[in-house]
Amino acid sequence: EVQLVESGGGLVQPGGSLRLSCAASGFTFSSYAMGWVRQAPGKGLEWVSAISGSAGTTYYADSVKGRFTISRDNSKNTLFLQMNSLRVEDTAVYYCAKVVRSIAVAATFDYWGQGTLITVSS
Amino acid sequence: DIVLTQTPLSSPVTLGQPASISCRSSHSLVHSDGNTYLSWLQQRPGQPPRLLIYKISNRFSGVPDRFSGSGAETDFTLKISRVEAEDVGVYYCTQATQFPWTFGQGTKVEIK
Repeated sequence: EVQLVESGGGLVQPGGSLRLSCAASGFTFSSYAMGWVRQAPGKGLEWVSAISGSAGTTYYADSVKGRFTISRDNSKNTLFLQMNSLRVEDTAVYYCAKVVRSIAVAATFDYWGQGTLITVSS
Repeated sequence: DIVLTQTPLSSPVTLGQPASISCRSSHSLVHSDGNTYLSWLQQRPGQPPRLLIYKISNRFSGVPDRFSGSGAETDFTLKISRVEAEDVGVYYCTQATQFPWTFGQGTKVEIK
């Protein structure tokens, strides 16, 4: 059974940093691209970032480019999202999601974690 | 960016009756590989999204056959043949043909 468990959420001040983790199990982690999607309170879904299975290719939404960094440790079956220079508008539930193939191009997310809440506020 | 527009935004439905959600794209979603990466997600209250349909009309593992997807190019539809109580939630179309991947605004399905 595929399981994705996010951690690292919490309250942070504007301009601060936070690192999210996503522990994956139930599949061969290194064989699949992964990504992050966020959902502001009461709002819709917004794609944030994706990374290939080999970690060789990364993609970012313009809204986070230069501030967020996606990475993965295939030896530990873990996905990360380093978030710097956080803004109030980054407040959201962040979902970790598995991609259906090893590259994050022309694919879709097939499994989603439960999400972790990030609140950016002073 | 590709914009996905869903209609209606809210759909009150009687139990056992059909429901239909439309998703219109600002650009063709046909990829250079010939596939169309349009999917449908269900988000029940308080839950994460769940994949229902991928590549227009393919039901994901474990999805009941009352859910079906159709369409082509820029116009797509999700149909629920007979709505059940567990189908209450918000439904999103999403495209992965082109970066950035985008989502429709969501359609709330509720029971009358």
